[in-house]
Amino acid sequence: DIQMTQSPSSLSASVGDRVTITCRASQAISNYLAWFQQKPGKAPKSLIYAASSLQSGVPSKFSGSGSGTDFTLTISSLQPEDFATYYCQHYRNYPLAFGGGTKVE
Amino acid sequence: EVQLVESGGGLVQPGGSLRLSCAASGFTFSDHYMDWVRQAPGKGLEWVGRIRNKANSYTTEYAASVKGRFTISGDDSKNSLYLQMNSLNTEDTAIYYCARASLKTGHWSFDLWGRGTLVTVSS
Repeated sequence: DIQMTQSPSSLSASVGDRVTITCRASQAISNYLAWFQQKPGKAPKSLIYAASSLQSGVPSKFSGSGSGTDFTLTISSLQPEDFATYYCQHYRNYPLAFGGGTKVE
Repeated sequence: EVQLVESGGGLVQPGGSLRLSCAASGFTFSDHYMDWVRQAPGKGLEWVGRIRNKANSYTTEYAASVKGRFTISGDDSKNSLYLQMNSLNTEDTAIYYCARASLKTGHWSFDLWGRGTLVTVSS
């Protein structure tokens, strides 16, 4: 099974900061990688698929990059509504798997 | 409105069964794969399983932790997804989300989530 490891597990940032979150797959997954945002008490929201493609309606301050085993999610200028937990997920094969999450606070 | 609404959660004793439902609206249910994802209290997201669409013969996939105990099914005529959960144990306590997967540029990725339903397994 493919394992997903996110770093850091949490980070402290301020409004206006550029934030980068890293996700590493235990084996190559090409670009079968998605990113999700989850706020406390809410359902996850899909941000990015295919490692770098924005889901419909997602603002361009979010960007994703990477291929193979190493991926990043970048928030170009952190806004108050962006404080949340972010998860990566591979869908290269089964079982699908999520990273452990990165809490941005 | 495009949405997914889960129902059927509740308190169940260890060893018991429960059936969750997910009602879809605002889109063509049969065009999509549908998944269940769960989240234990204070923990991260865990994929539970998937059912493919009619074009892919409604085949299913499951996480090892639930295989043989959980069954995913769907009803295109009712735009509904189901999760039959048997032999429940305390580790199955979680919020259960249904999620829609859409095909974009060759990628079946999640693009819509329900609000979730809480399942508590306790004596």
